[in-house]
Amino acid sequence: KNEVEQSPQNLTAQEGEFITINCSYSVGISALHWLQQHPGGGIVSLFMLSSGKKKHGRLIATINIQEKHSSLHITASHPRDSAVYICAVRAMYSGGGADGLTFGKGTHLIIQP
Amino acid sequence: DAGVIQSPRHEVTEMGQEVTLRCKPISGHNSLFWYRQTMMRGLELLIYFNNNVPIDDSGMPEDRFSAKMPNASFSTLKIQPSEPRDSAVYFCASSLARWGFPGELFFGEGSRLTVL
Repeated sequence: KNEVEQSPQNLTAQEGEFITINCSYSVGISALHWLQQHPGGGIVSLFMLSSGKKKHGRLIATINIQEKHSSLHITASHPRDSAVYICAVRAMYSGGGADGLTFGKGTHLIIQP
Repeated sequence: DAGVIQSPRHEVTEMGQEVTLRCKPISGHNSLFWYRQTMMRGLELLIYFNNNVPIDDSGMPEDRFSAKMPNASFSTLKIQPSEPRDSAVYFCASSLARWGFPGELFFGEGSRLTVL
């Protein structure tokens, strides 16, 4: 069974701080997604990655396939970054098909002005 | 494109009633997912379709839940009869998978269901 663990569960930081959210998983995967959800809002996909590193604006996502670990970084954090960040993985079945996603519990991030 | 469209956005019903949630995926996407989000359990996959065919429905809680995708532009999730523990936000998402490799996920706004 695929387990997805995120840390920390809750994070409060000051505006401008560098933020790191971690995600570990237990099985081989075809892809890992980082999702963002604002309070009462919908879900937005930030990144999908299967190796290496991706950058979009102030957001950076990295993945280490051997260690089964990914990190999401936010540089120069801002109050509008306050949201729940969710890690989700798609397991790779032996037949080569893709699973439909297993989610972490999410990291509640609050950036104070 | 308008994105993934879900309806209704909010539904309040009484226990025992039938509930039907609807989803229109992004045109051209070949994978569609139904998820449920609750405070206690977070996000959970209920079922997903590839090319209108259900691939994995192991997340469907019980026989009261059923999902269909009669064509590439429409899917329904039905709960009959509904129970208070079904209260949750139900999300639909779609993606374009190529050669078995999953694509970027696009989520709808969600349907908030309250069963009294």
